[in-house]
Amino acid sequence: RKEVEQDPGPFNVPEGATVAFNCTYSNSASQSFFWYRQDCRKEPKLLMSVYSSGNEDGRFTAQLNRASQYISLLIRDSKLSDSATYLCVGRLDRGSTLGRLYFGRGTQLTVWP
Amino acid sequence: ETGVTQSPTHLIKTRGQQVTLRCSSQSGHNTVSWYQQALGQGPQFIFQYYREEENGRGNFPPRFSGLQFPNYSSELNVNALELDDSALYLCASSLGDISTDTQYFGPGTRLTVL
Repeated sequence: RKEVEQDPGPFNVPEGATVAFNCTYSNSASQSFFWYRQDCRKEPKLLMSVYSSGNEDGRFTAQLNRASQYISLLIRDSKLSDSATYLCVGRLDRGSTLGRLYFGRGTQLTVWP
Repeated sequence: ETGVTQSPTHLIKTRGQQVTLRCSSQSGHNTVSWYQQALGQGPQFIFQYYREEENGRGNFPPRFSGLQFPNYSSELNVNALELDDSALYLCASSLGDISTDTQYFGPGTRLTVL
């Protein structure tokens, strides 16, 4: 079983729509979580960190539920430029795997005009 | 831009050959991690180097090896290439305490094995 599981999509939404991505993780020792964005044939770039208290950055809201081992990303008022693959990422912050990032396979989003 | 560079950008090899990929870290960063991203998958951790020492390894065979140099640049070497080694290889650098520091990715090297 993969450490991080997410629905690969694709999600196709019109401009202005609200879209939500979910992912689950299996390693309860994971301490930190992130959403990365990856454009086609480019490197992943950090979008935002995820906290239990929720984290909002403009149109983006991320949430972590440690009890359910569940992470979410909400994008409001989608823009064409939001089209990308969104990667759910965990990081183990203890032990021999310190700092190692665990990536989900990514969820592809296409926003159409 | 992250300040992390990789070379070459693209590479085509045949089965059984050996390849060396290079990464130049962001200035001041002494930790580098390498990841393999197959088509349609998320990146998978290969190994990590901290101050020239291997500091953790993922589930990759020994034919994947690495080096980190005193200037913190790094190499990934793959021997006896297989078709399944075709992927985007990413390096990521971070500053020291990698348990808390953001990892910055380079643009990657796209390797095709024929």
